[in-house]
Amino acid sequence: GAGVSQSPRYKVAKRGQDVALRCDPISGHVSLFWYQQALGQGPEFLTYFQNEAQLDKSGLPSDRFFAERPEGSVSTLKIQRTQQEDSAVYLCASSPGQSSYGYTFGSGTRLTVV
Amino acid sequence: TQLLEQSPQFLSIQEGENLTVYCNSSSVFSSLQWYRQEPGEGPVLLVTVVTGGEVKKLKRLTFQFGDARKDSSLHITAAQPGDTGLYLCAGASGGSNYKLTFGKGTLLTVNP
Repeated sequence: GAGVSQSPRYKVAKRGQDVALRCDPISGHVSLFWYQQALGQGPEFLTYFQNEAQLDKSGLPSDRFFAERPEGSVSTLKIQRTQQEDSAVYLCASSPGQSSYGYTFGSGTRLTVV
Repeated sequence: TQLLEQSPQFLSIQEGENLTVYCNSSSVFSSLQWYRQEPGEGPVLLVTVVTGGEVKKLKRLTFQFGDARKDSSLHITAAQPGDTGLYLCAGASGGSNYKLTFGKGTLLTVNP
């Protein structure tokens, strides 16, 4: 596609509910990233995929967060047993190479946990 | 932990004024990027600087990377309402050059 597509745009979850956030990167982009942006803050790195391999998951806040990219294209970020502190915008980005050059971000999914 | 401090945090100016926003760190970065983010959207890349002392111009926007590659500035000439947005700087370091460390941003409002 022309850009990075994320769905849903908005998600309201009750505390304790599981959620799944989807990212469709730009076709052919090798690298895919997930970032979390809390209100009034800059984005913070969560995890990095190169094709289907998850090479860095050091930013995932807890073991309730899980990400996958099984075929090296679409990625899903799953949050289990959501808590209020998980409320944030979750941004996906892709890039054609293996570095931070050429990032294209999606519009994000705004998650609100009530 | 690498931190990027951006200043000012908020800036409200009149159309036609000039402004400079700053991005500072105690750490060295291999490259630094500037993004603009509008409400409800993801950040959009404006520029990447990689060489200490580098200056890049994008129409009315001038970006500079410090000689020591620890800081950067963004200067806007004759600001327009369309420049309104959150300006974020983000750095990558050599060891993990795929990962960006973002500042908190400068929220710029340009009033007509």
